[in-house]
Amino acid sequence: QVQVQESGPGLVKPSETLSLTCSVSGGSINNQYWSWIRQPPGKGLEWIGYIHYSGSTNYNPSLKSRVIMSVDTSKNQFSLILNSVTAADTAVYYCARWYCAGPTCYYLDVWGKGTTVTVSS
Amino acid sequence: QIVVTQEPSFSVSPGGTVTLTCGLSSGSVSSGHYPNWYQQTPGQAPRTLIYNTNTRSSGVPDRFSGSILGNKAALTITGAQADDESDYYCMLYIGSGIRVFGGGTKVTVL
Repeated sequence: QVQVQESGPGLVKPSETLSLTCSVSGGSINNQYWSWIRQPPGKGLEWIGYIHYSGSTNYNPSLKSRVIMSVDTSKNQFSLILNSVTAADTAVYYCARWYCAGPTCYYLDVWGKGTTVTVSS
Repeated sequence: QIVVTQEPSFSVSPGGTVTLTCGLSSGSVSSGHYPNWYQQTPGQAPRTLIYNTNTRSSGVPDRFSGSILGNKAALTITGAQADDESDYYCMLYIGSGIRVFGGGTKVTVL
């Protein structure tokens, strides 16, 4: 059974770079789509973007200028970089897998437990 | 900018029925938006209830159902139970590979 787990620093200073990794276990990262989602304290979910194992990406337009996603198939991991962070980027960050059938991806079927990132000096 | 709209909150009696909706700030929701519904309890990751408008995810009780009602996607809970008290989020595909979550609906069972 595939599981995913987020890891990375829990505290980032304003204007610096947030960097998180999602490790995939119990299955291969290959031939799949993967996403990052975040949730600020007391607020709703926000889709950050997705990455295909091939490296192709698509980002939330509101974050596009600051986000980079990458994949390392040899390590069965994918990563999120968010530049120039502010307090508004404080959130629980989740990684998740897409359930896809053929060319269509339908829903996020495997979620990590989430990791809390606080932006503060 | 496209906004996905949900009711902020709903209250339902145990055994009762409640319908949550998911709309678009501009235009109607259709099956082509591949509506998903997720359930989240405090401190937990979301869990998929419904995908592709009306398909229940594995293990989801049949008291949860999805549909298109008028110009919105809808999630109906029939025979609400205490452990249905959660936050519910819809997510829509809006084209060009972009997905958007709604603001969520807090459901109270009392």
